Amino acid sequence: EVQLVESGGDLVQPGGSLRLSCAASGFTFSDYYMDWVRQAPGKGLEWVGRTRDKGHSYTTEYAASVKGRFTVSRDDSKNSLYLQMNSLKTEDTAVYYCAATLAGQHHIDYWGQGTLVTVSS
Amino acid sequence: DIQMTQSPSSLSASVGDRVTITCRASQVISNYLAWFQQKPGKAPKSLIYDASNLQSGVPSKFSGSGSGTDFTLTISSLQPEDFATYYCQQYDSYPLTFGGGTKVEIK
Repeated sequence: EVQLVESGGDLVQPGGSLRLSCAASGFTFSDYYMDWVRQAPGKGLEWVGRTRDKGHSYTTEYAASVKGRFTVSRDDSKNSLYLQMNSLKTEDTAVYYCAATLAGQHHIDYWGQGTLVTVSS
Repeated sequence: DIQMTQSPSSLSASVGDRVTITCRASQVISNYLAWFQQKPGKAPKSLIYDASNLQSGVPSKFSGSGSGTDFTLTISSLQPEDFATYYCQQYDSYPLTFGGGTKVEIK
């Protein structure tokens, strides 16, 4: 069974930092691109960023709203995905989902259950 | 960035109804379009990719069509478990972008 389990969500002050993790199981993690997608309370889905697989040099892509503040990374030896979030703003408050896309394809196949990040003073 | 516009934003339907949701892209995206279903408090679920291909395990009452800029998701006979919010997403180019969602409610 495919599982993506996010962790690390918390309450953080504006300007602060937070690191999210996503633990994967049930599929060959190293064969997949991995994404972060977020959803602000009561709002729609917003793609945050992607890391490709080793075959594509682990290159990354970001939404303009987080570029320069957020970093997506992965550790294939631990089947884990990470999102380092710096200079957090109140508008970054959201549930953050990790998602998996088979390398070479571009559509999301699997989703995690999400972790809540609240940015507030 | 490619803008994705879904219509309607919400609809009311009865069990057994045929439901169609439309998604329009602001530029040509070939068939690089996916549909997702999200129930309240739950993670999204992948339904369709490449505009018309069902994800494994998704029932055949769901179907997708379209190419270029105009796409549709059809549910052939609405069942109680289908009441949810549906999102389209383009993956033709970065940044990946989602439609605003269509909430399907019980009439």
